[in-house]
Amino acid sequence: GQSLEQPSEVTAVEGAIVQINCTYQTSGFYGLSWYQQHDGGAPTFLSYNALDGLEETGRFSSFLSRSDSYGYLLLQELQMKDSASYFCAPTGGGNKLTFGTGTQLKVEL
Amino acid sequence: EAQVTQNPRYLITVTGKKLTVTCSQNMNHEYMSWYRQDPGLGLRQIYYSMNVEVTDKGDVPEGYKVSRKEKRNFPLILESPSPNQTSLYFCASSLRQPGTEAFFGQGTRLTVV
Repeated sequence: GQSLEQPSEVTAVEGAIVQINCTYQTSGFYGLSWYQQHDGGAPTFLSYNALDGLEETGRFSSFLSRSDSYGYLLLQELQMKDSASYFCAPTGGGNKLTFGTGTQLKVEL
Repeated sequence: EAQVTQNPRYLITVTGKKLTVTCSQNMNHEYMSWYRQDPGLGLRQIYYSMNVEVTDKGDVPEGYKVSRKEKRNFPLILESPSPNQTSLYFCASSLRQPGTEAFFGQGTRLTVV
């Protein structure tokens, strides 16, 4: 079967670093994507990891460990505009993206 | 500009009245899909299409139909809407290769009364 776990809510202060963890079980796993969604908006793509290790894109980094079925999104130098929901989305067979319930990140002053 | 366009953005309808939500993309993507988003349940896939005339069920297909007659269009059809289909719907498209960015439409907020 398929399963996906990530924390429901994370709170951090502006300027801090936050890590959002994701564990998954996906048949025919290809890789792990991360999406950001602001309230009332559409999800937007942040990153994709197909191989183990860290991928860095500006203030955001994403990590994958295929052997542990685990990944995380690291957000540095948090800004108020980073307050949003973050979804990890494993890609399985047939390019099927599976989204979980997401992590709501609240950035406080 | 690369985009996925959904219409309408908002719709209130009555139980049993057939409706169609349109989705169109201008990126020549092979892969298109429909999701519904409900509080506490995240994004759940309804149907997806790997290419023209190729569609398959996602995780929550009951009560929905789709068609893919042209590459750019992927309409979602509710033949007999019910109140439990009140939700926020998103269409998405991507290249067929795994891991390529999925582009989402603006969303359609549907209320069935």
